[in-house]
Amino acid sequence: NAGVTQTPKFQVLKTGQSMTLQCAQDMNHEYMSWYRQDPGMGLRLIHYSVGAGITDQGEVPNGYNVSRSTTEDFPLRLLSAAPSQTSVYFCASSYRDRGHEQYFGPGTRLTVT
Amino acid sequence: AQSVTQLDSHVSVSEGTPVLLRCNYSSSYSPSLFWYVQHPNKGLQLLLKYTSAATLVKGINGFEAEFKKSETSFHLTKPSAHMSDAAEYFCVVTAGSGNTGKLIFGQGTTLQVKP
Repeated sequence: NAGVTQTPKFQVLKTGQSMTLQCAQDMNHEYMSWYRQDPGMGLRLIHYSVGAGITDQGEVPNGYNVSRSTTEDFPLRLLSAAPSQTSVYFCASSYRDRGHEQYFGPGTRLTVT
Repeated sequence: AQSVTQLDSHVSVSEGTPVLLRCNYSSSYSPSLFWYVQHPNKGLQLLLKYTSAATLVKGINGFEAEFKKSETSFHLTKPSAHMSDAAEYFCVVTAGSGNTGKLIFGQGTTLQVKP
């Protein structure tokens, strides 16, 4: 199993540009989440999904959209990038029967200038 | 509402001495609790988890944590620190009833290990 994969690893955007961060998992996990990590703030939940076709907002959803058309994929879209979205983004997946132990991707480091 | 407080933002120990990273939580449910570690410029790795079985949980690399419901604590310990333990550590609790897969992270504790 590849686990949770994320692309790209690094990205630089200009203010106002849009882009999609890709996330895929091959463990047939029901639950997937997107977090952002900023210094001194731990990880904060952006959006999450409890299954294909079902998504909901987390703690910091503004400026981001998600969709979950398949169990495997959970892309995160930045609609109009802002410098405040400069961060490291992690995708994670989990399975309820394992107590929601989350498996994390390697992260995407995004810089918005 | 659930919350997690890591009581120290930075802990410094000497190699070979014990490690104690403190975590208190608040939850209206019976939570699952986790400790994750993040080495510099790396992703997150699960150290250990508590999911309502034994209250003393053993993890990887010699770490363990004890779930104390009366004190709402889940402190992480290790008898003897290694240089390779230097990293950021996160205490994490499941949000709500645990059915959504949502997690709440503490703000992290940076562990420094001095030679």
